[in-house]
Amino acid sequence: GDSVTQTEGLVTLTEGLPVMLNCTYQTIYSNPFLFWYVQHLNESPRLLLKSFTDNKRTEHQGFHATLHKSSSSFHLQKSSAQLSDSALYYCALSRSNNRIFFGDGTQLVVKP
Amino acid sequence: EAAVTQSPRNKVAVTGGKVTLSCNQTNNHNNMYWYRQDTGHGLRLIHYSYGAGSTEKGDIPDGYKASRPSQENFSLILELATPSQTSVYFCASGASSYEQYFGPGTRLTVL
Repeated sequence: GDSVTQTEGLVTLTEGLPVMLNCTYQTIYSNPFLFWYVQHLNESPRLLLKSFTDNKRTEHQGFHATLHKSSSSFHLQKSSAQLSDSALYYCALSRSNNRIFFGDGTQLVVKP
Repeated sequence: EAAVTQSPRNKVAVTGGKVTLSCNQTNNHNNMYWYRQDTGHGLRLIHYSYGAGSTEKGDIPDGYKASRPSQENFSLILELATPSQTSVYFCASGASSYEQYFGPGTRLTVL
């Protein structure tokens, strides 16, 4: 079945350093949508960015990700972490059946 | 942006009691979802709905029922609450599977 794997449960880094959160997925569907949702403390998840185009970079709020169907990956990156980026990040996958499959989430902690 | 509200925001229930969590959305989305969020498990889908009168089982439906009486409302029902159902519950809505809008969450404690 469809699934999403986020290998890091917790990522801790220093402000100003680059961010990379890993996401790989499994699906038999040839045209999946991939998403990153972000959830700040005591808030609800909200969409950060999404993509369905192979090898095209998608950007929003300083973050970017590129869907690579050849490697079934959709890693989230940012060139320079800010304290306000500390949050829980979910990678997610959908196809045409009206539901989204979420990974287990990666907690990002940015320290001064 | 979609408006999704949940009530109650906090609930303490007793083991064996009945709990109803309510969700309302005002943007005429066809699809609605109930998730629970637990540390280490992320967001797990309990039930979802494609429209009024329909409910579908998600990944962890045992111990939960759902009801979608109208386009706007989607309820999650725990007939016999257990301590293992202590969690944060999120409702979400969407016009398609391509984006979901989440409510503020309900923190449920079953004693």
